[in-house]
Amino acid sequence: GIQVEQSPPDLILQEGANSTLRCNFSDSVNNLQWFHQNPWGQLINLFYIPSGTKQNGRLSATTVATERYSLLYISSSQTTDSGVYFCAVEGSTGFQKLVFGTGTRLLVSP
Amino acid sequence: GAVVSQHPSWVICKSGTSVKIECRSLDFQATTMFWYRQFPKQSLMLMATSNEGSKATYEQGVEKDKFLINHASLTLSTLTVTSAHPEDSSFYICSSRIREGTDTQYFGPGTRLTVL
Repeated sequence: GIQVEQSPPDLILQEGANSTLRCNFSDSVNNLQWFHQNPWGQLINLFYIPSGTKQNGRLSATTVATERYSLLYISSSQTTDSGVYFCAVEGSTGFQKLVFGTGTRLLVSP
Repeated sequence: GAVVSQHPSWVICKSGTSVKIECRSLDFQATTMFWYRQFPKQSLMLMATSNEGSKATYEQGVEKDKFLINHASLTLSTLTVTSAHPEDSSFYICSSRIREGTDTQYFGPGTRLTVL
C-alpha cells in the first residue's frame, strides 16, 4: 500500500518563528489532507490539497503531486499551534481510504 | 466544516465487558464513515469502513467479531468492542466523508477507552 512519511518527527519553536513541515508519499494520490491534532485528541481539518497551493491565515500548504510531496508552512507560530500535524492521503486506488503519515509533533514555547 | 460527534468521550470498563461507541454526523448525511484507532504517540490506523445499510469493510488484521460496526442510518455509526481486554485500550476516532466538490473527511473528537 501507499507509504506516507513526515518530517521532522519533532519540532520545537519559539513563539513567532516560522516552520515548514514535509509530507512524502510513495504513489499518486486522489486526496491529500492536512490535520492538526490538538492536545485533547481532536483532529482539525487544515487543508484539502491534492495539488496546488492554498493559504488560510498564518498557514499555507503546497502539494506537488508529480514529485509526491506536500509542505505545510506555519508562520508567526503561536503556543496554540502546538500539537501533532498529520498529513493523510488517499491513493489513486485507495477505495476512499485515508492513510495517515507518521506525524510531526510541534511544541511552540512562549 | 462538517460536525461529527462521538459518545462517550471516555470510558473505563472491566475486562470481559462490551463497550459501544457512537459516531454521529450532525449536519450532513454520511453514506460512508470510518473508524480509526490511535495508540499513544502513534499515528491513526484505519480499522474499518462503515457503509450505510451494508456490512462494514475491515482492514487486514482487524477482528470483525471483536469490533462490531453498525451503520444503520445516514447519520449514525456504532462501534462495539466486544469482550474487551486491556490491549484494546486505545483512542478510537470516527470520521465521516462528505462529498461537496471535495472528498473531505471530518473527524469526531475521539473516545478514550481504558480496559482494566
